[in-house]
Amino acid sequence: EVQLVESGGGLVQPGGSLRLSCAASGFTFSSYWMSWVRQAPGKGLEWVANIKQDGSEKYYVDSVKGRFTISRDNAKNSLYLQMNSLRAEDTAVYYCARGRMGIVGLFDYWGQGTLVTVSS
Amino acid sequence: EIVMTQSPATLSVSPGERATLSCRASQSVSSNLAWYQQKPGQAPRLLIYGASTRATGIPARFSGSGSGTEFTLTISSLQSEDFAVYYCQQYNNWPPRDLTFGGGTKVEIK
Repeated sequence: EVQLVESGGGLVQPGGSLRLSCAASGFTFSSYWMSWVRQAPGKGLEWVANIKQDGSEKYYVDSVKGRFTISRDNAKNSLYLQMNSLRAEDTAVYYCARGRMGIVGLFDYWGQGTLVTVSS
Repeated sequence: EIVMTQSPATLSVSPGERATLSCRASQSVSSNLAWYQQKPGQAPRLLIYGASTRATGIPARFSGSGSGTEFTLTISSLQSEDFAVYYCQQYNNWPPRDLTFGGGTKVEIK
């Protein structure tokens, strides 16, 4: 069974940093693109970043470029999102999502999410 | 960036009735369009991809159609478990950047 479990969310002050993690199991993690998708409270979904199987390609939504870094450790079956210079508008539930094999921009499995709150 | 626009924002439907949800892209996405269902407090679930292909385990009452810039999700006979928010998403770009979602349609009980 495919499982994605996020962790690392919490309350952080504006300008602060946070590192999210996603533990993957039930599939060959190293064979899939992975993404982070977020959802502000009461709002819709927003793709944040994705990363190729070997980490050689990474893409970001414009609003987080230069502040967020996506990475992965295939030996640990883990995905990460380092978030720096956090702003109030980054407050959201952050989901880890798997890119479907052969259609990498499509998300076929999602974690339950971790809440990030940016507030003083 | 491709902007995805969903309508209506809220759809009130009685159980057993048909629901028709629309999604429009600001430029052609071919058939690279997915639909997701999200219930309160839960993660989104993939329903449809390739504009019309049901994902594994999705009931036949869910169907998708369209191509280019106009897409439709139809739920033929609403069940109680179908009341949720539905999002469309385009994945037309290669490399896979600038992936965008519509704002969602909430299907509520009439």
